[in-house]
Amino acid sequence: AQSVTQLGSHVSVSEGALVLLRCNYSSSVPPYLFWYVQYPNQGLQLLLKYTSAATLVKGINGFEAEFKKSETSFHLTKPSAHMSDAAEYFCAVKGNTPLVFGKGTRLSVIA
Amino acid sequence: GAGVSQSPSNKVTEKGKDVELRCDPISGHTALYWYRQSLGQGLEFLIYFQGNSAPDKSGLPSDRFSAERTGGSVSTLTIQRTQQEDSAVYLCASSFGQTGGRGPYEQYFGPGTRLTVT
Repeated sequence: AQSVTQLGSHVSVSEGALVLLRCNYSSSVPPYLFWYVQYPNQGLQLLLKYTSAATLVKGINGFEAEFKKSETSFHLTKPSAHMSDAAEYFCAVKGNTPLVFGKGTRLSVIA
Repeated sequence: GAGVSQSPSNKVTEKGKDVELRCDPISGHTALYWYRQSLGQGLEFLIYFQGNSAPDKSGLPSDRFSAERTGGSVSTLTIQRTQQEDSAVYLCASSFGQTGGRGPYEQYFGPGTRLTVT
């Protein structure tokens, strides 16, 4: 079975500051891991995915995430937040079942 | 090319009525998924279709919920005798998939149908 825990339902950062959104997972098989972003009144859009190749994964809009097996983590980071990054972010894990999503983290960016 | 489309975008219905939500997946995608997104609850998996295999219905919350996929393409999610707790955004996604496979197939999401039960 798979599960995902996103730490912090709401994160607020200043424009230009580091963005760090936390995700921990559990999986009975080597997982595939995903981060999705959801802008208001829209569906989910894939930011990046880990597929057992490089542990540091780069995605769109300057986001990246690092797979750490020892910590069962897949935290999402961006060096410098932009106002347009304000959205809901979902971490998801896929093992032998369809994607299992975390509850999401709402990112607010303060000017 | 065209993405996943869903209709209607918004649906308001009275408690006890039946509703049908439609999903048109990306052409060529063999897998189709339905999720429910309630405020503060994240995404809840409902049902999964993969090719001609029997659907995985393990996420359906009650027997009032059902879904079908005709011709391996369009899918309809039906909720019978709607209740107020059914109010949510219903999201559909599709992906390439391989029967029995476990590939990291990226899911492409539609914009969702916002269902309000009054």
